[in-house]
Amino acid sequence: QVQLQQSGPGLVKPSQTLSLTCAISGDSVSSNSAAWNWIRQSPSRGLEWLGRTYYRSRWSSDYAVSVKSRITINPDTSKNQFSLQLNSVTPDDTAVYYCARDHCSGGSCHWIFDYWGQGTLVTVSS
Amino acid sequence: DIQMTQSPSSLSASVGDRVTITCRASQSINNYLNWYQQKPGKAPNLLIYVASTLQSGVPSRFSGSGSGTDFALTISSLQPEDFATYYCQQSYRAPLTFGGGTKVEIK
Repeated sequence: QVQLQQSGPGLVKPSQTLSLTCAISGDSVSSNSAAWNWIRQSPSRGLEWLGRTYYRSRWSSDYAVSVKSRITINPDTSKNQFSLQLNSVTPDDTAVYYCARDHCSGGSCHWIFDYWGQGTLVTVSS
Repeated sequence: DIQMTQSPSSLSASVGDRVTITCRASQSINNYLNWYQQKPGKAPNLLIYVASTLQSGVPSRFSGSGSGTDFALTISSLQPEDFATYYCQQSYRAPLTFGGGTKVEIK
């Protein structure tokens, strides 16, 4: 059974960096049949995909255009986890942040999220 | 970006009712449509993928249909644990996008 356990602060000051971690059990961050995603949810934006990282002979990451200049998603193979960093946050980044697995098959990922973390409410406020 | 529009945004129903939620894409997405259920304070839970395939462990009272631009999620006999918010999501083209949700409430 795959489980994703999120950790990180719930309060971030404006202009600072939001950092969250998603620890994986029951699967591997280096799996060739998975991609590891961050998704957020807010009343104003609804559910919004932020980005992903995945391993296919080498590490790759894809990001949503809306946050591309501010986001980094990195794997940590030693701890079997992946992280989200979002720079220069504003109150508009206040949301519940989720990590989620996209189970891939046949060499392709289809953005079908079958396992999710528990969610972290991150408030951007001074 | 592909826009996903769900209707209704909310509905009231009774236990045992048949409930249908619709989702419309702003352009054809073939059958690349997924449905999630979300309960308050919890993460979304995958119910159906590629329009009509039931995720493992999901009760058979849930079903999905449609292709192209119009899709539906049907609950054949609403159970107390089904009161939640339901979201559709297209996985046809980046950026993936979600519908605004349909809240199913107790009548």
